[in-house]
Amino acid sequence: GDSVTQTEGLVTLTEGLPVMLNCTYQSTYSPFLFWYVQHLNEAPKLLLKSFTDNKRPEHQGFHATLHKSSSSFHLQKSSAQLSDSALYYCAANYGNEKITFGAGTKLTIKP
Amino acid sequence: GPKVLQIPSHQIIDMGQMVTLNCDPVSNHLYFYWYKQILGQQMEFLVNFYNGKVMEKSKLFKDQFSVERPDGSYFTLKIQPTALEDSAVYFCASSYWGGDAEQFFGPGTRLTVL
Repeated sequence: GDSVTQTEGLVTLTEGLPVMLNCTYQSTYSPFLFWYVQHLNEAPKLLLKSFTDNKRPEHQGFHATLHKSSSSFHLQKSSAQLSDSALYYCAANYGNEKITFGAGTKLTIKP
Repeated sequence: GPKVLQIPSHQIIDMGQMVTLNCDPVSNHLYFYWYKQILGQQMEFLVNFYNGKVMEKSKLFKDQFSVERPDGSYFTLKIQPTALEDSAVYFCASSYWGGDAEQFFGPGTRLTVL
C-alpha cells in the first residue's frame, strides 16, 4: 500500500554540520512529496514540496531531491543552525485529497 | 502567514461523553482536514471535507465520529460517545485546493479521555 518511511526517529547534530534526513515512499506511481516542520508547541507547517518538472525545491537553506529510481525525497541542509531543531515530517499525496505522513524525525542541533 | 485556529487547546472528558473539537480554517480555503496523533506516534489522516461533504475518510474515522461546517462557522469534529483510545492530539488543516496544495495546520487540540 501507499506509505512513507522515515528511518531515523532521532537525529542529533552539532551546529554547522550538514543535515540529511531520510525519506522513502512506497507506491506504484510517483506521488507529490512534502516536508513539513513542527517546532515545539507550534503547528506543523510546510517546509518544501516536490515539483512535477523535477526542479529541486529549496527553502530556508533546506533542499530535497526527488529520486524516482530509489523512491526517495531526502531532506538536506549544508550547515545546521540551532533554530533548525524541530520535528520533521516527510509526507506524500497520492493523487487524492489526503496526505500520508511518515513517522517523523526529531532533529536536535547542539552548540 | 495564514493561520488556522483550534478551540480548545486541551479537553479532558470522561469516557462515553460527547466532545466537539472546533477549527477555524483560513478564510478563503475550501478543503478541510482532520488528523489524529497519538502521543509518540505519527500523525494520521482521519477525514477530509469539501463543499459540505466528506470526500474521503480513513479506517480511524469510526462511526462515532462526524464532521460538519455550517456556513461561516467552525469546521467541527464530533465524537459521540468517546472511548479511551480517542485520547490524542487532533490537528485541523485547510487548503485552498486539493491535490498538491499546501495544507495549513492548526496548533492541535489535546483530547484526554478518562
